[in-house]
Amino acid sequence: SYVLTQAPSVSLAPGQTAKIICGGDNIGSKSVHWYQQKPGQAPVLAVFDDLDRPSGIPERFSGSNSGNTATLTISRVEAGDEADYYCQVWDSDTDQWVFGGGTKLTVL
Amino acid sequence: QVQLVESGGGVVLPGRSVRLSCAASGFDFSHYDVHWVRQAPGKGLEWVAAISNDAITNNYADSVKGRFTVSRDNSKNTFFLDMNSLRPVDTAVYFCARERLAVAATSLDVWGQGTTVTVSS
Repeated sequence: SYVLTQAPSVSLAPGQTAKIICGGDNIGSKSVHWYQQKPGQAPVLAVFDDLDRPSGIPERFSGSNSGNTATLTISRVEAGDEADYYCQVWDSDTDQWVFGGGTKLTVL
Repeated sequence: QVQLVESGGGVVLPGRSVRLSCAASGFDFSHYDVHWVRQAPGKGLEWVAAISNDAITNNYADSVKGRFTVSRDNSKNTFFLDMNSLRPVDTAVYFCARERLAVAATSLDVWGQGTTVTVSS
């Protein structure tokens, strides 16, 4: 089955740029979606189809996808961005949805 | 407003069964594929199952295949997850979610708040 790999955590100061990585075999050939989950809350779709943002998501959130790596970039990080971030793809070989293990973003 | 609300969680003995429900409102439910996603305590998200808008196609994670069944009733704007032969590892918060309308399989754009299932003796 298809595997998505994420670093467990990333920490940075307010105002810096966060790059959250999602690795997968030839992930650039798939559409990647990103979710933000704050403690005790349901996930929220942050970026879909590699780089599109749903309404209500700040422009500071952007995505890219190429080769074996997809990236969620959060510019000018704020305390309110502190959350777990998950990447997700659809595996056409098995017709299953797959989530990465999640990355915990800490704003120092 | 667009909303999904889960119900049916609780404490259940290993080997027993439980049915989760997800009630949809604020959108044309019959047009959308819908999913179940779970999160074990302190762990990440795990996709569980999906059902197409017309209930013709069901898909399952390997970890639940043969034990869980997803179904829906479009006349009642509700879908279900029947969970059989439950194991302690099935203990999790179960979220229902709506798949965004698109040509191909895509992202989950509306989520419920989750219902907790605890499998324990």
